[in-house]
Amino acid sequence: GDSVTQMEGPVTLSEEAFLTINCTYTATGYPSLFWYVQYPGEGLQLLLKATKADDKGSNKGFEATYRKETTSFHLEKGSVQVSDSAVYFCALRWSTGNQFYFGTGTSLTVIP
Amino acid sequence: ETGVTQSPTHLIKTRGQQVTLRCSSQSGHNTVSWYQQALGQGPQFIFQYYREEENGRGNFPPRFSGLQFPNYSSELNVNALELDDSALYLCASSLPIAGVLETQYFGPGTRLLVL
Repeated sequence: GDSVTQMEGPVTLSEEAFLTINCTYTATGYPSLFWYVQYPGEGLQLLLKATKADDKGSNKGFEATYRKETTSFHLEKGSVQVSDSAVYFCALRWSTGNQFYFGTGTSLTVIP
Repeated sequence: ETGVTQSPTHLIKTRGQQVTLRCSSQSGHNTVSWYQQALGQGPQFIFQYYREEENGRGNFPPRFSGLQFPNYSSELNVNALELDDSALYLCASSLPIAGVLETQYFGPGTRLLVL
């Protein structure tokens, strides 16, 4: 069945370091791909999305490119800040339905 | 414009009891999805309601049921609670465009503990 596999955490980085969180998926058809973020004490928020192969989603300095050939949607940021500390979830939505499948989440802590 | 709200924020029940969780969707949104998020895991899709009808269901037993009201608010009911039902229950509202649900707005969740 459809599934999302995320890089296990937790991840701890120093401020201004480069971030990569890996995400790969298994799906039939052509899913839409998403990154959600959950800040401490808050609900899930959409960070970025891509709906077809080679699309790049971007927001708040984060980027992810939909790679169909490697079935991946890795999240990257060139210079992380303390305020980026949160749990990040990769998710997909099947192309012919509205059900979302989430990865297990990757906890990121950025230290000054 | 108000966001998605959920009540209660926390709840403690014992095995075998029944629970009702509530969700108010964002203004103008006609679709509500419910998720279960166990500790250290990602959200798992329970079911979705669109205009008061169930519109998709995940791999959850029938003792998980729901309702959507004319104002698009929603309830999640769980009967015969089990210890493994302890989790954060998330509600997400959305407005499909041409039948496609691209963006969901999540509430803060209800944390349920079953003893």
